[in-house]
Amino acid sequence: SQQGEEDPQALSIQEGENATMNCSYKTSINNLQWYRQNSGRGLVHLILIRSNEREKHSGRLRVTLDTSKKSSSLLITASRAADTASYFCATGAGSYQLTFGKGTKLSVIP
Amino acid sequence: DGGITQSPKYLFRKEGQNVTLSCEQNLNHDAMYWYRQDPGQGLRLIYYSQIVNDFQKGDIAEGYSVSREKKESFPLTVTSAQKNPTAFYLCASRGLAGGWDNEQFFGPGTRLTVL
Repeated sequence: SQQGEEDPQALSIQEGENATMNCSYKTSINNLQWYRQNSGRGLVHLILIRSNEREKHSGRLRVTLDTSKKSSSLLITASRAADTASYFCATGAGSYQLTFGKGTKLSVIP
Repeated sequence: DGGITQSPKYLFRKEGQNVTLSCEQNLNHDAMYWYRQDPGQGLRLIYYSQIVNDFQKGDIAEGYSVSREKKESFPLTVTSAQKNPTAFYLCASRGLAGGWDNEQFFGPGTRLTVL
């Protein structure tokens, strides 16, 4: 079953703007991870946030986690055309498995 | 070069045929996973293995089989019992040391098409 649900399903922005994607989930988690997938390729891990963390940064990425609302957001600042990809959240809930959402397709227009 | 490889990149199957997708990793990871991805969809777990000679069914195991005879290898067979096998198949691996907070590493995927 897919626990994470990303919102929006698709997002189109101009280069230089910020992109925000949201993820909601249903059950308690140990961590939440964000992955990126370029068209026709495998997924690449971007960032992990633990359930006891509220915010994490990595370069132009900022992730927040609100466990009371069971939601997370991924912010990409100063977007570039090369950021065009699909972005997936994945939840880990006390096992070695991850449950992935359906993804947000981001298009950054040069 | 450490990583996870999948072959072939593209695979065509006739109805009624079994086909095997290869997945190899040299990351010394204990756990390996197979996912299926349909257009515009997320990843659904087919099978996973946390140790050699042991594996468990995921959410959509029907019509698929796996083996884990070596730590480095986790091949997936798509059998004729899988009625709608056309999809993008992704293999992943992860280390188990350090607990729950490890990332998964993905291969480049195999696109299977039924003719």
